[in-house]
Amino acid sequence: GENVEQHPSTLSVQEGDSAVIKCTYSDSASNYFPWYKQELGKGPQLIIDIRSNVGEKKDQRIAVTLNKTAKHFSLHITETQPEDSAVYFCAPGKDGYIPTFGRGTSLIVHP
Amino acid sequence: GAVVSQHPSRVICKSGTSVKIECRSLDFQATTMFWYRQFPKQSLMLMATSNEGSKATYEQGVEKDKFLINHASLTLSTLTVTSAHPEDSSFYICSASLAGALNYGYTFGSGTRLTVV
Repeated sequence: GENVEQHPSTLSVQEGDSAVIKCTYSDSASNYFPWYKQELGKGPQLIIDIRSNVGEKKDQRIAVTLNKTAKHFSLHITETQPEDSAVYFCAPGKDGYIPTFGRGTSLIVHP
Repeated sequence: GAVVSQHPSRVICKSGTSVKIECRSLDFQATTMFWYRQFPKQSLMLMATSNEGSKATYEQGVEKDKFLINHASLTLSTLTVTSAHPEDSSFYICSASLAGALNYGYTFGSGTRLTVV
């Protein structure tokens, strides 16, 4: 199965700073690369995803970049706000995909 | 967009009793739903895949007789924790995707916090 690692496990930033979370995976056949945000006491929400035929995707303050050769993809959040504080999970996969989550990154944005 | 409703959001039960958690797809049909378990400050662990009209597929190490899954319709899957014990206390989350979709679009419920006392 897919071996997924996320770094860092905890990220603390000041409001307005940028945050970057990296996800490394093992299966070279993976072709779907999503990021989920989980707020305290809630289920995960898909915030952005990318497929293997694209290197970068942006949606307002968030973006995902993919390096298939190196088998990693990253979540970028610019101009962070306190409401961005949450746990972020990556869950790469391929055809017949069932989300298998990384360990998560706790992002703390200090006002 | 696709909405998955999970109920109850919180439940406290006595040791030895059973608890049922419902997962509904509100605006789409889901032939497949998934049940996850999450311990505090840990990742989501897949427990089982729930298939409409057939038996669930359980992940290794998950007790079938303890975690009963029923997917009786295209919009409802239930997870029953039988003879609950304090170690079953956890956050349970379901997810579903559009029936037959190949776009990997999974939507998650809001989770159920189970506390067994």
